[in-house]
Amino acid sequence: QKEVEQNSGPLSVPEGAIASLNCTYSDRGSQSFFWYRQYSGKSPELIMSIYSNGDKEDGRFTAQLNKASQYVSLLIRDSQPSDSATYLCAVGKSSASKIIFGSGTRLSIRP
Amino acid sequence: DAGVTQSPTHLIKTRGQQVTLRCSPKSGHDTVSWYQQALGQGPQFIFQYYEEEERQRGNFPDRFSGHQFPNYSSELNVNALLLGDSALYLCASSLQTSGVLTGELFFGEGSRLTVL
Repeated sequence: QKEVEQNSGPLSVPEGAIASLNCTYSDRGSQSFFWYRQYSGKSPELIMSIYSNGDKEDGRFTAQLNKASQYVSLLIRDSQPSDSATYLCAVGKSSASKIIFGSGTRLSIRP
Repeated sequence: DAGVTQSPTHLIKTRGQQVTLRCSPKSGHDTVSWYQQALGQGPQFIFQYYEEEERQRGNFPDRFSGHQFPNYSSELNVNALLLGDSALYLCASSLQTSGVLTGELFFGEGSRLTVL
């Protein structure tokens, strides 16, 4: 079982719609959860972090965490072509002092 | 303020050779983590260095080794290269006291290694 699992996609969403990206993790001791965006040929960049159950909103992005279900999601509202990228879910545990990434979901926003 | 810098950006080696990749962390950061990213995959954690010591290690063989210098820069060494070592090697810097809890990993642009 992978530590962090994501559907690889591609996920195709029309411009202006909501894109929904999902992630599950295996270690119940995980304490921090992140979404990174990676454009083709570029390095990952942090876009959202969440630490407690519930929703966290930042502009068009909303991260959702459900620790009981070991589930993290990212919603992107009013999707733009510039949102087309691979989205990496990452999980951290302070006792392990490392961040583990999923394989990423490729998102394509079609005009 | 310089971000994370890595060198070289691209390199080609043959099977059995050895390679050294270099990383300078973002100014003010004291921790360096190395990741391997194969095409179409997510970054895989190799190891992390803090205070010149390896603090955490992922599931990589001993052919992968590293070093951190007093100025916090770091090297990744891979011996006896295999075809499967072809990948993008990413260096990420952070502050030890907050890195995992805030997820503030700052990545370099990577070193793309091709093994023939």
